Amino acid sequence: GAVVSQHPSWVICKSGTSVKIECRSLDFQATTMFWYRQFPKQSLMLMATSNEGSKATYEQGVEKDKFLINHASLTLSTLTVTSAHPEDSSFYICSARTGLAGGSNTGELFFGEGSRLTVL
Amino acid sequence: GEDVEQSLFLSVREGDSSVINCTYTDSSSTYLYWYKQEPGAGLQLLTYIFSNMDMKQDQRLTVLLNKKDKHLSLRIADTQTGDSAIYFCADSYFGNEKLTFGTGTRLTIIP
Repeated sequence: GAVVSQHPSWVICKSGTSVKIECRSLDFQATTMFWYRQFPKQSLMLMATSNEGSKATYEQGVEKDKFLINHASLTLSTLTVTSAHPEDSSFYICSARTGLAGGSNTGELFFGEGSRLTVL
Repeated sequence: GEDVEQSLFLSVREGDSSVINCTYTDSSSTYLYWYKQEPGAGLQLLTYIFSNMDMKQDQRLTVLLNKKDKHLSLRIADTQTGDSAIYFCADSYFGNEKLTFGTGTRLTIIP
């Protein structure tokens, strides 16, 4: 199946620093990617929809200036957690949808391995 | 808002069948999914079902959908230790790529 890769897999940073997480679709082009965060023992919460060449669409309650998303190419989206604080510690997961013949949308998504952020 | 619910834990003996249940509230859901998450890993799509179907079978996996009751289940036959994971159900509305996930069910296999 299609492959989506995230980097880094885990990162530890000091409070107040910024951290960038990359999400790449390795064998397909993705005009749309999604960023989720997952707190321990909780479900995935959609943070934003990343659209290639345009601004990301953020879910209600997600701070745009805090979580900067850039989707500069059809295979790469980045999430930057700016001025990270301990409460930003979480597991961040991206996903991307493959395009299908005829443009039909089954909604099948492929997920990255996730990036665990720990802010000290 | 829309809600997707699952029980948090399920323990099953190796070789038995596992049945993981999920309920959702959005009657306009078009696609329903089951994802598997192993420790420290992302999500792996196991299977999905269109809302106009009531059953889908794929090897050891059987998905049952009761649209009237908004109830989805995943049955894993002959459960193995490698099936230990958290299983998430999710739904989406056609044309809207946003998935709403349940809280996940942690499946534990008893030897």
